[in-house]
Amino acid sequence: SQKIEQNSEALNIQEGKTATLTCNYTNYSPAYLQWYRQDPGRGPVFLLLIRENEKEKRKERLKVTFDTTLKQSLFHITASQPADSATYLCALATGGFKTIFGAGTRLFVKA
Amino acid sequence: EAGVVQSPRYKIIEKKQPVAFWCNPISGHNTLYWYRQNLGQGPELLIRYENEEAVDDSQLPKDRFSAERLKGVDSTLKIQPAELGDSAVYLCASSSLAGGRADTQYFGPGTRLTVL
Repeated sequence: SQKIEQNSEALNIQEGKTATLTCNYTNYSPAYLQWYRQDPGRGPVFLLLIRENEKEKRKERLKVTFDTTLKQSLFHITASQPADSATYLCALATGGFKTIFGAGTRLFVKA
Repeated sequence: EAGVVQSPRYKIIEKKQPVAFWCNPISGHNTLYWYRQNLGQGPELLIRYENEEAVDDSQLPKDRFSAERLKGVDSTLKIQPAELGDSAVYLCASSSLAGGRADTQYFGPGTRLTVL
């Protein structure tokens, strides 16, 4: 069956460190993958999009990698700050460009 | 630029009652989505519109859920009658691209529904 897996356990890191979040998928061949941030009581906010033919994408302190062989995307936040604390959602665009979201990983950055 | 507007933000009803949610997308966005998000889960698509046409409603429980986007702008999602299991956050999103091209979705704040 098709599945998207993100770490269900929260990730706790110290301010200034790099946070790395993982998104694994099975039985999909996504055309592209997106990462969204969601704060409590709010809707998701788009962060980055990476296409199947791209290996890496950067935006300021954010970096996303996409390995279609491993069926995995890694999301990095460098020099993390307490304001980066949120839930981060991975989303795949499947055939027909239907967007499927993972359950998200909660990140806590401690000052 | 105004973002996606949803109302109400919160709704508490008793089971078997009807409920409706309203969404106004970002101006010029022709694609509109309704999602349901349960606690600790990611959003799950209920229905996607391109202009006024519902192009994907495969996950919409049609026995009790209905949606409309009559003029291709704002949209209403209705549940009648509501069940306890419908308690969730209902999110609306919009995007400016259609026809299957890669799109960034802009989400509203959601409506938190509690069914007692």
